[in-house]
Amino acid sequence: NAGVTQTPKFQVLKTGQSMTLQCAQDMNHNSMYWYRQDPGMGLRLIYYSASEGTTDKGEVPNGYNVSRLNKREFSLRLESAAPSQTSVYFCASSEWANSNQPQHFGDGTRLSIL
Amino acid sequence: KNEVEQSPQNLTAQEGEFITINCSYSVGISALHWLQQHPGGGIVSLFMLSSGKKKHGRLIATINIQEKHSSLHITASHPRDSAVYICAVRSGGGADGLTFGKGTHLIIQP
Repeated sequence: NAGVTQTPKFQVLKTGQSMTLQCAQDMNHNSMYWYRQDPGMGLRLIYYSASEGTTDKGEVPNGYNVSRLNKREFSLRLESAAPSQTSVYFCASSEWANSNQPQHFGDGTRLSIL
Repeated sequence: KNEVEQSPQNLTAQEGEFITINCSYSVGISALHWLQQHPGGGIVSLFMLSSGKKKHGRLIATINIQEKHSSLHITASHPRDSAVYICAVRSGGGADGLTFGKGTHLIIQP
């Protein structure tokens, strides 16, 4: 049972380049999330999808776009990467967003923007 | 917005010691989560609490709703317990839910 799978695990980009981070879950969860983790800070929500077909901004959405491709997949896109977006990105899923269910996390994508 | 504070930020202890990590928050919550992040980076959910106490193996989590405080205890600590422990709270019924603490970096020396 793979849980939440993120690709790639590592990526180095130049400023201005674009890329898409992929996330897929096999737990039939309705809700999916993208977080970023920076040194000295707690995880911060970028975007979330409460259910298939919906997406909403989180705490730090600027510079990112998302697509909920289907119930399994939720991608995060950086259209024009900036050094400030250097971070570790985590995808997570839960059965439902507005309930006290645990979130299941992927292993993270370490992204460096030069 | 709920403010989540964890203490200590860093903790080094000897194998076998009893460990306590604290979490306090500023606004009433519907649930509190304890998460573990290993050096490899993956994050695992340990507990979800809305009241009282939960136990899983050597890990015990407690919450005091009136005092807006939770503790995570590790009994008979072992080097494999070395990780970052993260507290997160859900403040209301919104879908964007969790506010995370900065984490406590625990090192257990043999």
